[in-house]
Amino acid sequence: KAGVTQTPRYLIKTRGQQVTLSCSPISGHRSVSWYQQTPGQGLQFLFEYFSETQRNKGNFPGRFSGRQFSNSRSEMNVSTLELGDSALYLCASRRVGETQYFGPGTRLLVL
Amino acid sequence: AQRVTQPEKLLSVFKGAPVELKCNYSYSGSPELFWYVQYSRQRLQLLLRHISRESIKGFTADLNKGETSFHLKKPFAQEEDSAMYYCALSISGNQFYFGTGTSLTVIP
Repeated sequence: KAGVTQTPRYLIKTRGQQVTLSCSPISGHRSVSWYQQTPGQGLQFLFEYFSETQRNKGNFPGRFSGRQFSNSRSEMNVSTLELGDSALYLCASRRVGETQYFGPGTRLLVL
Repeated sequence: AQRVTQPEKLLSVFKGAPVELKCNYSYSGSPELFWYVQYSRQRLQLLLRHISRESIKGFTADLNKGETSFHLKKPFAQEEDSAMYYCALSISGNQFYFGTGTSLTVIP
């Protein structure tokens, strides 16, 4: 069974730009969660989507948004990028009530 | 508010020595707790969850509700245990809160 995939793997943007990250969950997994990982803060929960609906949201500004498609694939968008948005963005998918499986992450560098 | 605290950012032990990675949580309800591990150049993966009460790779963790702790223990550390370890708390199985992680180095 293929694992969670994320594209792109690396991204360099400049301040003020926007970025879209993509996550393809494991087949049959309808829940997709996004996390921001930084050395100082560890993993911080961004949001979770289930059946195309945002079910939970972390404490991030409105510049961070996401969506989920009918095939469970999910995208995350960050608008008006700031230097502090540089991080590894992780996606995780799971079946309801089961453990999360993480993707390899997208490393975003904002210059 | 829910919070997971891992007080040690870095931990070094000698091979064969016991290791304990500390995790304390703050949550008024009944939490579900996990330990995740990230080996060098690998994805974050589940190590164990408290409801399973099992030992994975020699690691165990006991939920202590009185002390609100979920420390990860192994009696004899191995070099391959060197990794980043994250403690996580789940609310209703939907939202996960992670600690800031502990980097474990096992010295040969």
